[in-house]
Amino acid sequence: GEDVEQSLFLSVREGDSSVINCTYTDSSSTYLYWYKQEPGAGLQLLTYIFSNMDMKQDQRLTVLLNKKDKHLSLRIADTQTGDSAIYFCAESRLYSTLTFGKGTMLLVSP
Amino acid sequence: DAMVIQNPRYQVTQFGKPVTLSCSQTLNHNVMYWYQQKSSQAPKLLFHYYDKDFNNEADTPDNFQSRRPNTSFCFLDIRSPGLGDAAMYLCATSRGQGDEQFFGPGTRLTVL
Repeated sequence: GEDVEQSLFLSVREGDSSVINCTYTDSSSTYLYWYKQEPGAGLQLLTYIFSNMDMKQDQRLTVLLNKKDKHLSLRIADTQTGDSAIYFCAESRLYSTLTFGKGTMLLVSP
Repeated sequence: DAMVIQNPRYQVTQFGKPVTLSCSQTLNHNVMYWYQQKSSQAPKLLFHYYDKDFNNEADTPDNFQSRRPNTSFCFLDIRSPGLGDAAMYLCATSRGQGDEQFFGPGTRLTVL
């Protein structure tokens, strides 16, 4: 079945860039998503990328997709303490439901 | 502005006492989902409705049921909650299956 893997923890200093990585196994994935979850809250969609794209940029966020290696990354430029949260990578196929990774906890220290 | 609303945000129930969690949406989306999320884990899909069609995940326990009386509302019923059912329950909606999902803030369920 489908599987989505992420590293569990990342610690950076405020002002640095953060890179959160994700790998997936389903070669028929159509959409790949990044969600942010703050403590005690629901999931907030940050950005998504279609599988036929290599890169998507949205303000401080850059998503890179290497479809050959089934590798997705989220880069956050100028990371702020407010970016501390759990980041979930997720994938879906057309007309299918989401498969989530276990989440990467990002800790930003001043 | 709220698009996916979950009530209550915090629910306490007793072991074995039925409990209902509610979700409503203002997006007029066709699909509504219920996820269970335990601490430090990924959200786990329990079931979803595409319009009135109910789709149960294979490993969702029979203890969990759902109702969708209309487009806007969807309920999660836990018939006999056990201690292992304590979790955050997330509702989400999407226009179609495979489309971007919008999540509610979740209901944190405590079972005493």
